[in-house]
Amino acid sequence: QKEVEQDPGPLSVPEGAIVSLNCTYSNSAFQYFMWYRQYSRKGPELLMYTYSSGNKEDGRFTAQVDKSSKYISLFIRDSQPSDSATYLCAMDSSNTGKLIFGQGTTLQVKP
Amino acid sequence: EADIYQTPRYLVIGTGKKITLECSQTMGHDKMYWYQQDPGMELHLIHYSYGVNSTEKGDLSSESTVSRIRTEHFPLTLESARPSHTSQYLCASGASGRYEQYFGPGTRLTVT
Repeated sequence: QKEVEQDPGPLSVPEGAIVSLNCTYSNSAFQYFMWYRQYSRKGPELLMYTYSSGNKEDGRFTAQVDKSSKYISLFIRDSQPSDSATYLCAMDSSNTGKLIFGQGTTLQVKP
Repeated sequence: EADIYQTPRYLVIGTGKKITLECSQTMGHDKMYWYQQDPGMELHLIHYSYGVNSTEKGDLSSESTVSRIRTEHFPLTLESARPSHTSQYLCASGASGRYEQYFGPGTRLTVT
């Protein structure tokens, strides 16, 4: 069983929709939770970061961590065609930088 | 935009050749990483370094080797390329005490 599970999609939504992306994990030692965005032919870029449980908001993006359920989410409000990319969740147990990534969810936002 | 560079971007090479994938960063980061990513699959950490002359293998077994002689440079070498090495290789760096990792654009390697 993989330590981090992420539905690969693809996910297709109309412009303006609310998007929910999710990951589940099995290692209760994970404390650092990240979302990366990867455009085609590019390297991933950090989008959101959360330590332990709770919510974090940055513009149209909200990250949620529920450690009791071993479940993290990324919400995108008012989605735009420029949000079309692959979204990767990543986790770390002790800020070592040895990240464990999910498979990535490919999102397409249609104008 | 992060200043981390990888060359070449694309490489097609025959079986048995020795190859070196270059990675350089101009941010002075102590920590550097190599990930392997197959299409539609997760990134797997294959090597990391916390500073000059410090290198460790990651969770995914790899036949590649790395060196860290200078802070800004973290090349990855395959002594004898095989078709099973066909993949995308991503280099990343990060500052000590910080969680962010900055990724390069990747090298897409095809071994025929």
